[in-house]
Amino acid sequence: DAGVTQSPTHLIKTRGQHVTLRCSPISGHKSVSWYQQVLGQGPQFIFQYYEKEERGRGNFPDRFSARQFPNYSSELNVNALLLGDSALYLCASSLWQDTGELFFGEGSRLTVL
Amino acid sequence: AQSVSQHNHHVILSEAASLELGCNYSYGGTVNLFWYVQYPGQHLQLLLKYFSGDPLVKGIKGFEAEFIKSKFSFNLRKPSVQWSDTAEYFCAVNEGGSYIPTFGRGTSLIVHP
Repeated sequence: DAGVTQSPTHLIKTRGQHVTLRCSPISGHKSVSWYQQVLGQGPQFIFQYYEKEERGRGNFPDRFSARQFPNYSSELNVNALLLGDSALYLCASSLWQDTGELFFGEGSRLTVL
Repeated sequence: AQSVSQHNHHVILSEAASLELGCNYSYGGTVNLFWYVQYPGQHLQLLLKYFSGDPLVKGIKGFEAEFIKSKFSFNLRKPSVQWSDTAEYFCAVNEGGSYIPTFGRGTSLIVHP
């Protein structure tokens, strides 16, 4: 079975640019969450979507946005990139919204120069 | 806001040594508890979880964790580590009704053969 897939795996942007990260959940999973992981820290929650609706948002600025499509795939968008946005962005899917048991992808490594 | 503390940031052991990684959380209500592991070059994956019932839970690869409600702790243990246990270990707590796990900053475990 295919796991959670994310694209791109690595990307480099400059300050002020915009980035779109994509995620395909495990087949049958209806919930997608996005996390930011900075080196040496645990994953920090950004968004959760369930059945195409935003169900949770972490403490991130409005430059961060996301959406979930009818096929349950998801996009994370970050506008006006800052150096501090450099991180590993993790997507996780789960069967239900409320178990907290997450299946993670390998992440998208974003470097902002 | 809920917080999750992992007190050991770096642990170095020799094979066959016993392991205990600490995890404490701040929320006083009903919680779901998780340990995730990230092996070098791989994605985060679930090691074990506690939702309710027996506070001693067993996970994959011989790991176990004990939920002690009075101490707000969920420590991870393994009686005899192997070189292949070298990885980053993350404790996560999902407070009842929030559906969104909060992660600790992680513990890097290195096991020398």
